[in-house]
Amino acid sequence: GAGVSQSPSNKVTEKGKDVELRCDPISGHTALYWYRQRLGQGLEFLIYFQGNSAPDKSGLPSDRFSAERTGESVSTLTIQRTQQEDSAVYLCASSSGQGGWNEKLFFGSGTQLSVL
Amino acid sequence: DAKTTQPNSMESNEEEPVHLPCNHSTISGTDYIHWYRQLPSQGPEYVIHGLTSNVNNRMASLAIAEDRKSSTLILHRATLRDAAVYYCILDYGGSQGNLIFGKGTKLSVKP
Repeated sequence: GAGVSQSPSNKVTEKGKDVELRCDPISGHTALYWYRQRLGQGLEFLIYFQGNSAPDKSGLPSDRFSAERTGESVSTLTIQRTQQEDSAVYLCASSSGQGGWNEKLFFGSGTQLSVL
Repeated sequence: DAKTTQPNSMESNEEEPVHLPCNHSTISGTDYIHWYRQLPSQGPEYVIHGLTSNVNNRMASLAIAEDRKSSTLILHRATLRDAAVYYCILDYGGSQGNLIFGKGTKLSVKP
């Protein structure tokens, strides 16, 4: 597709269950980001992938959160033993990764996660 | 990381110009100034960016102070579809990485 695709668009889960959120970036984009957005709040950085470099995991809130990326394509964000405070919209973005003037982010529509 | 400060909310009338301010007093020489906006129930979308000079595109204009410690996003004629949260962020050297979005400015447009 032409844009960043995220699935599922909505996920309802029970407290304590594990969830996986998927992001398909724009083809050819080497940089990929995950953000979390709680209701009425701004975007909270979670993790950043750039090509084959080690990911920047500095924003992951706890060891229950992890993310992987297969080469320069799909990424999966996994939340283990979900808690109610994990309820939020999880946004994925990609960019060309070339840096400089033309670098800009393209966002998906997000996954709304609700933990009951 | 360099931070930005924006008003929490602003109101505008339809078809009037809107000036959205952003303060970034700790900006470094290589930080790009980016603006994104987030429409209800959507992911953010790119609006405009600049480094030192004012910039124009089909969506908006960006006015950057001479000392680069502040900038203003200008919507020349607000429409109802411009109602959104507008984020001003700094990007070190255009290399992305951990971009700090903050809470942005929620713009309301009245008919």
